[in-house]
Amino acid sequence: KQEVTQIPAALSVPEGENLVLNCSFTDSAIYNLQWFRQDPGKGLTSLLLIQSSQREQTSGRLNASLDKSSGRSTLYIAASQPGDSATYLCAAYNAGNMLTFGGGTRLMVKP
Amino acid sequence: DTAVSQTPKYLVTQMGNDKSIKCEQNLGHDTMYWYKQDSKKFLKIMFSYNNKELIINETVPNRFSPKSPDKAHLNLHINSLELGDSAVYFCASSQVAGGFIQYFGAGTRLSVL
Repeated sequence: KQEVTQIPAALSVPEGENLVLNCSFTDSAIYNLQWFRQDPGKGLTSLLLIQSSQREQTSGRLNASLDKSSGRSTLYIAASQPGDSATYLCAAYNAGNMLTFGGGTRLMVKP
Repeated sequence: DTAVSQTPKYLVTQMGNDKSIKCEQNLGHDTMYWYKQDSKKFLKIMFSYNNKELIINETVPNRFSPKSPDKAHLNLHINSLELGDSAVYFCASSQVAGGFIQYFGAGTRLSVL
């Protein structure tokens, strides 16, 4: 059964820093890996989706990479801003139409 | 215009009661989901429906009964509520089943007293 782990659980950085959020998964037979953002009291917003055949995806200041063989994905945020403060969740999509979520990384970017 | 909308946003009720949460999507998607996010913030799939047909039922007590009257709606009915049912419940939809991006509602915070 797929298990997804995110490290660190919480992260606080000053504005302007580049940062990396880590995600690992136990079953490498994934169809894709997705990154979401969750703001307090709100639903999840999809940020990036990386297909299993891809190595990375980019959207603005966000770049997500995928290494299936090692069971890892990273989300790189460049030039962080206070508006980036949120919880970031990764989720692995396996056969059986299931997304398995990690526990999230709670990010705070201080002005 | 909200893509995936859930009602109510908050639900406070007593143990033993029966309650329903409604979900509607206006994206024209075929597949809808219910997730539960517990107090530790772990998000877990409960059910998935594709074109009104159940395709995932992930070890959920049979007190939980999803109902999909049409592919734009997936409601969740909970019988005999227990303290452990307290959580945030999220509805989501995707274009079709099969790893497409999922769009989430804002969540329903259920508190069982």
